[in-house]
Amino acid sequence: GQQVMQIPQYQHVQEGEDFTTYCNSSTTLSNIQWYKQRPGGHPVFLIQLVKSGEVKKQKRLTFQFGEAKKNSSLHITATQTTDVGTYFCAGTSGTYKYIFGTGTRLKVLA
Amino acid sequence: DARVTQTPRHKVTEMGQEVTMRCQPILGHNTVFWYRQTMMQGLELLAYFRNRAPLDDSGMPKDRFSAEMPDATLATLKIQPSEPRDSAVYFCASGLGGSSYNEQFFGPGTRLTVL
Repeated sequence: GQQVMQIPQYQHVQEGEDFTTYCNSSTTLSNIQWYKQRPGGHPVFLIQLVKSGEVKKQKRLTFQFGEAKKNSSLHITATQTTDVGTYFCAGTSGTYKYIFGTGTRLKVLA
Repeated sequence: DARVTQTPRHKVTEMGQEVTMRCQPILGHNTVFWYRQTMMQGLELLAYFRNRAPLDDSGMPKDRFSAEMPDATLATLKIQPSEPRDSAVYFCASGLGGSSYNEQFFGPGTRLTVL
């Protein structure tokens, strides 16, 4: 079945450093979504990417969808303590069934 | 503002007992998802509904889990009998499915502990 892996599993950074998490799917995706889950909270939608090679920015966050639509990345510039949490990608091959990635837990040290 | 609600927020029960979790999707949303989150398995899709019809429940252990939508404002997930390995956080999410794929709005979750 379809699998979605994320690396790294954990990342500790000093406040102000950059952070990147990578998402890789075993199958070609129709679109990919990114979510953030704060400790003790629930996943919150960040963005959706649909087109091959698409790049979207939200303030300090940059999201990319690979040309082959099998991988994606999330890059945070100059991390802040408010960025702490687990970042998930979720991909679908064309149905409402989204497969969530394994997540990357980000810790930001002040 | 509109949000998904789930009850109960916490549930502690003993092995063998029946557990029912409820979810109220955002009004107007036509797609409902049930997820289970554990440290070991991450976020797993258990079932999803569109317009109250179950589209996929392949992620659910059929012998003990059941999911229903009695009406558009209520989704239920039932475990009978419960087992310690069912201990997890169960999230309900709703969305407005259509020709374009839209975000999923997650509820706060039900933290289930089966002793």
